[in-house]
Amino acid sequence: SAVISQKPSRDICQRGTSLTIQCQVDSQVTMMFWYRQQPGQSLTLIATANQGSEATYESGFVIDKFPISRPNLTFSTLTVSNMSPEDSSIYLCSVREGRAEAFFGQGTRLTVV
Amino acid sequence: QKEVEQDPGPLSVPEGAIVSLNCTYSNSAFQYFMWYRQYSRKGPELLMYTYSSGNKEDGRFTAQVDKSSKYISLFIRDSQPSDSATYLCAMNYGGSQGNLIFGKGTKLSVKP
Repeated sequence: SAVISQKPSRDICQRGTSLTIQCQVDSQVTMMFWYRQQPGQSLTLIATANQGSEATYESGFVIDKFPISRPNLTFSTLTVSNMSPEDSSIYLCSVREGRAEAFFGQGTRLTVV
Repeated sequence: QKEVEQDPGPLSVPEGAIVSLNCTYSNSAFQYFMWYRQYSRKGPELLMYTYSSGNKEDGRFTAQVDKSSKYISLFIRDSQPSDSATYLCAMNYGGSQGNLIFGKGTKLSVKP
């Protein structure tokens, strides 16, 4: 199974600023996924990041708010831009193996004040 | 109606109890059904997955899928305090590009 390192593990940020979350995988993967986990809510897919192409965003998420980079097959970043308290959440990166298995990083717990 | 419904709990049981966790879903096209365990301040980890209907057993854990009822279950036998976590069901249509649809998770506490 893939091992995923994600950082920072937590941060407290001022509203209006941006935070970039990094995700490193110990093997090469075609797709990396970014999720948001809000209190009491389901994990929600933000976008899918493919190496060498633009990320694909889910309904309700836009590139200006959540720009994603995918410079190679083992690394991706998600930026949360112009943050507001509503962006306080846990952000998770994930990779897939096989038809169903998803593996997650430990998450970034973001608090916006 | 949400695609996947899961009772968020919390659920508290004594050590040694049999735990039953459940999800219902609305989309009959789902083919893969998964259970994830998430400890506090950690990412979800895959416990088990099942393709289509039937049962799957792994140690103290048994996953059941009833596609006719659109209902999946996870049973934990001889529950331990180390099983205390949030359990998330997830499902998808199949294929590496299929989006996983998650339930909200059930928070389980096993008391010694």
